Amino acid sequence: DVKVTQSSRYLVKRTGEKVFLECVQDMDHENMFWYRQDPGLGLRLIYFSYDVKMKEKGDIPEGYSVSREKKERFSLILESASTNQTSMYLCASTTGPTNYGYTFGSGTRLTVV
Amino acid sequence: QKEVEQNSGPLSVPEGAIASLNCTYSDRGSQSFFWYRQYSGKSPELIMFIYSNGDKEDGRFTAQLNKASQYVSLLIRDSQPSDSATYLCAVFLSGGYQKVTFGIGTKLQVIP
Repeated sequence: DVKVTQSSRYLVKRTGEKVFLECVQDMDHENMFWYRQDPGLGLRLIYFSYDVKMKEKGDIPEGYSVSREKKERFSLILESASTNQTSMYLCASTTGPTNYGYTFGSGTRLTVV
Repeated sequence: QKEVEQNSGPLSVPEGAIASLNCTYSDRGSQSFFWYRQYSGKSPELIMFIYSNGDKEDGRFTAQLNKASQYVSLLIRDSQPSDSATYLCAVFLSGGYQKVTFGIGTKLQVIP
């Protein structure tokens, strides 16, 4: 069974901390994405990557950065966590063009206090 | 105008009835359309996708697409309590910035 694995299910971090969210997929997918999901706002794209060492900003990149050193791994970095970054973070991947649907990871519920 | 619009619900239907979930989109260049199901506390899972005008059926699920009206819908026949979830509509836009845009989702409640 294909998988997208997010390293943590729940995280609690302090304001100002640097936070790393890890995502690994075992499907040899080229395309990987980071979304955050908030009530009433739906899924919003933070960053995405179509290849190793390649990254593109999504709709809400401010306060975030990403790293993709290997094809299977896509990391989201919160440079200095703030309370408004408390959210559910979802990683997704897909093969080829983005018209085959995503496989999502199980999500990381991040709380910044 | 939002790119992908859905009524947040909740939509309540009795067990065994047909649930009809609707979605409109703003970009006429949209090429592919997806329905995801998301149970509470879980991540979304793909249940249907459709590219061409008309209907596409998969078991109890039927996706309907009308590009002229910029409208996509999901019908769930013989609704079961296990279908209670939030259903997300997603649209793929072609072009220089390829991305999938999601609606906020419609919460479906199937009443036993």
